[in-house]
Amino acid sequence: QLQLQESGPGLVKPSETLSLFCTVSGGSISNGNNSWGWIRQPPGKGLELIGTMYYSGMTHYNPTLRGRVTISVDTPKNQFSLKLTSATAADTAVYYCARHLIAAAGPYNWFDPWGQGTLVTVSS
Amino acid sequence: DIQMTQSPSSLSASVGDRVTITCRASQSISRYLNWYQQKPGKAPKLLIFAASTLQSGVPSRFSGSGSGTEFTLTISSLQPEDFACYYCQQSYNSYTFGQGTKLEI
Repeated sequence: QLQLQESGPGLVKPSETLSLFCTVSGGSISNGNNSWGWIRQPPGKGLELIGTMYYSGMTHYNPTLRGRVTISVDTPKNQFSLKLTSATAADTAVYYCARHLIAAAGPYNWFDPWGQGTLVTVSS
Repeated sequence: DIQMTQSPSSLSASVGDRVTITCRASQSISRYLNWYQQKPGKAPKLLIFAASTLQSGVPSRFSGSGSGTEFTLTISSLQPEDFACYYCQQSYNSYTFGQGTKLEI
């Protein structure tokens, strides 16, 4: 059974880079049509896609964050990562990683499973 | 960007009730619509994908319908463990979420 686990600093200073890792267990990160995504949730608010890396290696980023976001995959470590530069208080959120599954029979796609989430606070 | 609007934002119901949550897209998204359940302090869990396909392991009291711009999530008989927040998410163009519907006792 595929499981995902986020890791990284829980506190980031304003203007610094927020960096998180997602370790995948129970399967290979390079298996088949698996893509990988990051989603965040500010305290008490709704869900926001940060971006996704498709199995092709292409990426899609939320336009509101484009220019600050980089998602990359480390196949040997079975891990993917998120870097968000120039962090501000508005980036304070619970960050989730998730598999972005794209159906083989068509472009229907969804996020499943999700990691448990990690709270990142941006504050001096 | 495609905007997703859920209604209601919150809903009070009782065990055994039939409940329907609506999700509207700002433009047609065919059937590229997913539903998630989130309990406090937990990660979202996929319930339904492609508008009406039940994810493996999800109880059959959950169902989804719709296409184009209007979609519904129905819980046929509420159980105590169903009180949670529900999100729709379109996967047609980028991947935006609705604002959520909090289902309370």
